[in-house]
Amino acid sequence: GAGVSQTPSNKVTEKGKYVELRCDPISGHTALYWYRQSLGQGPEFLIYFQGTGAADDSGLPNDRFFAVRPEGSVSTLKIQRTERGDSAVYLCASSLAAQREQFFGPGTRLTVL
Amino acid sequence: KQEVTQIPAALSVPEGENLVLNCSFTDSAIYNLQWFRQDPGKGLTSLLLIQSSQREQTSGRLNASLDKSSGRSTLYIAASQPGDSATYLCAAPTGANSKLTFGKGITLSVRP
Repeated sequence: GAGVSQTPSNKVTEKGKYVELRCDPISGHTALYWYRQSLGQGPEFLIYFQGTGAADDSGLPNDRFFAVRPEGSVSTLKIQRTERGDSAVYLCASSLAAQREQFFGPGTRLTVL
Repeated sequence: KQEVTQIPAALSVPEGENLVLNCSFTDSAIYNLQWFRQDPGKGLTSLLLIQSSQREQTSGRLNASLDKSSGRSTLYIAASQPGDSATYLCAAPTGANSKLTFGKGITLSVRP
């Protein structure tokens, strides 16, 4: 079956704009995670969904960041009033359940000019 | 708070060499540890997941070990090939939600 997919693969935006990043998890995976990776660093946790609910959003840096997963499948990460410091690769991962192996998508490279 | 360390940051070896990549973590209350490979500009590919009840896990030329008591894991790569050149990251889960804490990775270069 298909792996985790993310769209767009690249997004260039201007400071202050709103962006949405999409993640399609592996079918049947109830757990979904968002991470952010800066150059030369390992990914850092942003938010975790179990089904439709955000079970842990402790990694979101501030209230400009928000994510949804309304039907327990596709998730969208939303960033308002983007800043240059938001530039990074945003990675999505899914797993059958928490405490299981996580599978990552190819990421969305966000560049804020 | 879980902290994961991978040293050295980069490693260069000749083709055919057997090598060990090290990973250390501070919170030993983990139920598994995952090793990933990342090629430049790409996402993460899961290599091995080793459960806390296991001491080793093998996949092809890769072997991962886990020692919870000492807070260490190693990834052994046998008979390295140029195609193994990539960044290798280890990640330990935190809490019941299993959010992963990653090391910074080891960038491996295998010279032909």
